[in-house]
Parts: sequence; structure tokens; C-alpha cells
Amino acid sequence: DTAVSQTPKYLVTQMGNDKSIKCEQNLGHDTMYWYKQDSKKFLKIMFSYNNKELIINETVPNRFSPKSPDKAHLNLHINSLELGDSAVYFCASSQEGVWPSGPLHFGNGTRLTVT
Amino acid sequence: LAKTTQPISMDSYEGQEVNITCSHNNIATNDYITWYQQFPSQGPRFIIQGYKTKVTNEVASLFIPADRKSSTLSLPRVSLSDTAVYYCLVGPRAGRRALTFGSGTRLQVQP
Repeated sequence: DTAVSQTPKYLVTQMGNDKSIKCEQNLGHDTMYWYKQDSKKFLKIMFSYNNKELIINETVPNRFSPKSPDKAHLNLHINSLELGDSAVYFCASSQEGVWPSGPLHFGNGTRLTVT
Repeated sequence: LAKTTQPISMDSYEGQEVNITCSHNNIATNDYITWYQQFPSQGPRFIIQGYKTKVTNEVASLFIPADRKSSTLSLPRVSLSDTAVYYCLVGPRAGRRALTFGSGTRLQVQP
């Protein structure tokens, strides 16, 4: 059973298009994240939701809009895609509501290529 | 958020012990040190976490000196399957965390 699953695995699209990446976790965690990994392998947090509430919103263009329909899902919608958006996007989850909180569990990533 | 510094890459041979050191000079009192492993085309995977002294699990050991300004991940008797990127992360163990990973250490294990 995949704990954190994201779809699609690969996404190739043209500049200006709008696309979505979906993420689901079956771990019962209360917090979900989106990370972006660039070509230099830095993993930078973009957003974090705790029980469907946005709690972290790093400096990300407002073309990126996360949506959490329930605490097991966190989707990422990207409008007007640009070349610089090309990267691998990782979804992750963790249990934050108890002490100590658990480690991050990551999906296997979505490689987005904007042409 | 404590900044971390790790070697960019390391090479080893099968059966050797590998030690990867991470510097985190401005670590805060409530910060924990966590290590993740990432294989190509996969997300990072939790390896070990510690606060001070030594922590050991079935995969690795984590050594943290008294001043906590650095930590060392120790992988005993590495195999080819340990070839991966290893990330050191420093941050609070709970609460609203905005954890950004550094560029990690790329470990290449040779036969």
C-alpha cells in the first residue's frame, strides 16, 4: 500500500497552460505539504496544510494554489505555467497534532516539464 | 531556521563504514536533527532523528556532540543499495514547521 501517492508521475506541458497535481495520503496524518525540488536538488517547502487549514505559505507566486478537500488530500493547481516552474514536486505528510510529531513521509514526486 | 552544511559528495566501497557530517552552528535549543535518504526518482525517506549524544536504529547511528553544532550520520558496512543523497535537517520536532532541505550529500558506493 502506497502511503503518500501523487499523480501524475510525469507532466509535460507548454507555457501558459494550467495544470494540477493530486496527492493523497492513507497514513491518517493531520498535516500535508508541497515541496519543490530544483535542479540543484534543494527541497524547498511551498505550502503546508494542517487539518485542511493553510498554515505555511512560503514565498510562492500566486499562480500556485493548493487545495485540501479533506485532510487526506492536498492538490496543487498551477496557472499560467512558466519555464521556471519545471522541477520535481513532492507531496509529504506528517502527524503534527501529538508530541512528538512524526517524520515527514514523501510521495515519489511529479516531474513537471514546461516547454 | 538553522542552516546546515554538508559535503556535496562522498565515495565509498561496499562493506566500509561511512560517516557523513553536518554542520549546524546556529541550532536552537528546541531543534532536533533529522536525516533523510533519497534515491533517484523517489521522495526522501526518514532514516534517523536525535537531539543529543547518540541514537541508533537498525539502519544507522547518529552522533551529536555536547555543543550540538554538528552531527554525524554513520552507516555501517554500506552496500551498493546505499548509493543515494543524504539530507541533514534541523528544526523543531513539532509544531508548525517550515523545513527546507539543503542540497544534501551524494554518496556513491562502489563494488
